[in-house]
Amino acid sequence: GAGVSQSPSNKVTEKGKDVELRCDPISGHTALYWYRQSLGQGLEFLIYFQGNSAPDKSGLPSDRFSAERTGGSVSTLTIQRTQQEDSAVYLCASSLQGAFGQPQHFGDGTRLSIL
Amino acid sequence: DQQVKQNSPSLSVQEGRISILNCDYTNSMFDYFLWYKKYPAEGPTFLISISSIKDKNEDGRFTVFLNKSAKHLSLHIVPSQPGDSAVYFCAAIGETSGSRLTFGEGTQLTVNP
Repeated sequence: GAGVSQSPSNKVTEKGKDVELRCDPISGHTALYWYRQSLGQGLEFLIYFQGNSAPDKSGLPSDRFSAERTGGSVSTLTIQRTQQEDSAVYLCASSLQGAFGQPQHFGDGTRLSIL
Repeated sequence: DQQVKQNSPSLSVQEGRISILNCDYTNSMFDYFLWYKKYPAEGPTFLISISSIKDKNEDGRFTVFLNKSAKHLSLHIVPSQPGDSAVYFCAAIGETSGSRLTFGEGTQLTVNP
């Protein structure tokens, strides 16, 4: 499809395990974002990649969270030693160049549940 | 520090009537505002946006109004349809936030047939 693709759609894991979430942005979009939505909350910014620039990691809640973007396309968000408060829907978005006036297009998210 | 607030968690309207969703912000550096619609188990879908140099933007049944002095924006849907039932998020972006969107908590709109 032509939209942002995220996998897996659902992930259930035990506390303390590591998880990897994947995002495949819209072809040609150079900007990629990760957000998360906890129950009953709005979307919270995590990290932003734009082309070859250093990513904006200012939204990552702890050093257990990391993300990379290989080849300027697919991105992986990794959460190490998961905690129950990490349970949320993790959403990826992409936009053309990341400039103002260009809306971000979201994937359907990965629902992460930590037992 | 909630910089974008949607004070109404829910709104219910009759089909054919107007839906008005409200959003307030505190950061005067925000200069671009967006509304997203979200259905359950799906990602947010971009709906309409407005630049801070404008006070109104219209797209079909959807109109966004911006009152910069009051730091307030609203989304009007006329006429409302049952398919409009979804969670609506207000989002803002500005110089100090780089390219990140700052979202409100969302308003659940229910349009009754």
